[in-house]
Amino acid sequence: ELKVEQNPLFLSMQEGKNYTIYCNYSTTSDRLYWYRQDPGKSLESLFVLLSNGAVKQEGRLMASLDTKARLSTLHITAAVHDLSATYFCAVNQGGSEKLVFGKGTKLTVNP
Amino acid sequence: NAGVTQTPKFQVLKTGQSMTLQCAQDMNHEYMSWYRQDPGMGLRLIHYSVGAGITDQGEVPNGYNVSRSTTEDFPLRLLSAAPSQTSVYFCAVGGGVRNTGELFFGEGSRLTVL
Repeated sequence: ELKVEQNPLFLSMQEGKNYTIYCNYSTTSDRLYWYRQDPGKSLESLFVLLSNGAVKQEGRLMASLDTKARLSTLHITAAVHDLSATYFCAVNQGGSEKLVFGKGTKLTVNP
Repeated sequence: NAGVTQTPKFQVLKTGQSMTLQCAQDMNHEYMSWYRQDPGMGLRLIHYSVGAGITDQGEVPNGYNVSRSTTEDFPLRLLSAAPSQTSVYFCAVGGGVRNTGELFFGEGSRLTVL
């Protein structure tokens, strides 16, 4: 059974600082996704990582995938308040479109 | 182009009542699914469908029923609502020509069972 673990679950940062969110998963998969959710809103796709070594960057966020270590990271550079949200990683299960989600990391960026 | 449309956005039920959450897509994707989101639990898969006429159970299917008669629609039925079904429900669709496995979510339906 595929399990996806994120850490930390809660993260409070100061503006301008850097930090990394980690996503570990338990069984082999070569597809991993990062989503953002604002309070009371739906999930917005951030990154699609489809192979070992994949790296994607958008603004202050950068995601990477190491399929051998079963690990993805979401790196935040010089955080700003607008990045405050909950971030989910999700892993593809068994080559289907079924995604298993982590519990999410609630990020708060303080002035 | 509405994408993924869920109705209703909010609903309050009494224990034992039944209801249907609607999900409609105009993205022509084969894969449709229902997730529920509870605090501290992330998103958990209830049911999914890989095409019209084909459905299967996810991680937490008990108390829910689905059918897929068309590509566009994938309703989720609560047969006899229980307080444990109080949650936010998301419909998600995926597949398509590029088929990266990425899912696109509706806006959610917030259900309270009293």
